[in-house]
Amino acid sequence: GAVVSQHPSWVICKSGTSVKIECRSLDFQATTMFWYRQFPKQSLMLMATSNEGSKATYEQGVEKDKFLINHASLTLSTLTVTSAHPEDSSFYICSAGGLVSPMGSATQYFGPGTRLLVL
Amino acid sequence: DQQVKQNSPSLSVQEGRISILNCDYTNSMFDYFLWYKKYPAEGPTFLISISSIKDKNEDGRFTVFLNKSAKHLSLHIVPSQPGDSAVYFCAAAYSGAGSYQLTFGKGTKLSVIP
Repeated sequence: GAVVSQHPSWVICKSGTSVKIECRSLDFQATTMFWYRQFPKQSLMLMATSNEGSKATYEQGVEKDKFLINHASLTLSTLTVTSAHPEDSSFYICSAGGLVSPMGSATQYFGPGTRLLVL
Repeated sequence: DQQVKQNSPSLSVQEGRISILNCDYTNSMFDYFLWYKKYPAEGPTFLISISSIKDKNEDGRFTVFLNKSAKHLSLHIVPSQPGDSAVYFCAAAYSGAGSYQLTFGKGTKLSVIP
């Protein structure tokens, strides 16, 4: 399957700082990437769909000014948590794939996740 | 409103026996279903999928069954191995704006006892 990496794998920061998380597709080009958030013992919640060269599509209830997404190339999407607060502490996971096309499929391949702790 | 439900938060099975994980969904627009395996603090790993035009898909020890009329799918693992111990997420997909969006269940923690 396709390989997706994330960096950093974990980060601790002070309240009010901004944190950038990178998601890279290593062996394929991803025109679409997805960002998820998972709370302890909860399901993965889709935050936004990141489209290369255009604005991200955010799910209802997700603040686009709080969670800035940039998809500048076919292999890199970034999520920036701006002015992070303790309630933003979570496990953030990106995925790639899931394209609708004659050769596409619904399968998304996930990165290893980034654990964010805001003090 | 939870569109994908995994009603069993945990399941324990003896090594060598069959593990059956269940999933129900409510949205009839879903047309693709996937199972992922996840370890703590790691991203989900894709296991197996099935499109709505099929009722069974098999890959090695893993078989997924889909009952569209009941809006129910299940993952069978046989024989179960200790390395299968993990949280299993059911996901349902529908196409939207050129990409498939996944909706996940809350997961079932499988423990395979040696």
